Amino acid sequence: GQQLNQSPQSMFIQEGEDVSMNCTSSSIFNTWLWYKQDPGEGPVLLIALYKAGELTSNGRLTAQFGITRKDSFLNISASIPSDVGIYFCAGQISGNTPLVFGKGTRLSVIA
Amino acid sequence: DAGVIQSPRHEVTEMGQEVTLRCKPISGHNSLFWYRQTMMRGLELLIYFNNNVPIDDSGMPEDRFSAKMPNASFSTLKIQPSEPRDSAVYFCASSRTGGDSPLHFGNGTRLTVT
Repeated sequence: GQQLNQSPQSMFIQEGEDVSMNCTSSSIFNTWLWYKQDPGEGPVLLIALYKAGELTSNGRLTAQFGITRKDSFLNISASIPSDVGIYFCAGQISGNTPLVFGKGTRLSVIA
Repeated sequence: DAGVIQSPRHEVTEMGQEVTLRCKPISGHNSLFWYRQTMMRGLELLIYFNNNVPIDDSGMPEDRFSAKMPNASFSTLKIQPSEPRDSAVYFCASSRTGGDSPLHFGNGTRLTVT
């Protein structure tokens, strides 16, 4: 089946540092999404990307939909302690197909 | 908007017992998904419904697992009999089919089978 390779698996950073994580696939997706999961909760949508090449920001978060439609990255600038959690990328072929999720990037922020 | 509501939040049961997990999707959403999350395998899609009809249950691990959606506002995932390896967090999620409608997750049910 389709798989998304998400990296890194985990990262430890100092508060204030910028963070970058990415997701690649051998298949084309027409939608890329980034979710964040806090402990004990379900994943929450951060950013949705619907067009190849699209660059979208949400506060300190910036995500891009790769031009080949096989990859996406998420950047977090000036990290803060509440950025701690697991970040998931997800790809979707069409609105009628389910999302395919990456394995997640576990982010730890050291104050 | 109350979001996707799952119950119970935690379930501890003994091996061999029947377990029923419940989900109420967001009103107006016509697609419903059941996921299982473990450290080893991440988020796995078990089954999903469109307009209350099961579309793809190829992710259901075994015949011990079954899911129903009797109406647009309720779904259950049942495990009978449960086994220790079923221990995981089970998430329900909903969306509107088609268009730009992202998936919204519930807060999950943490299942422990002893």
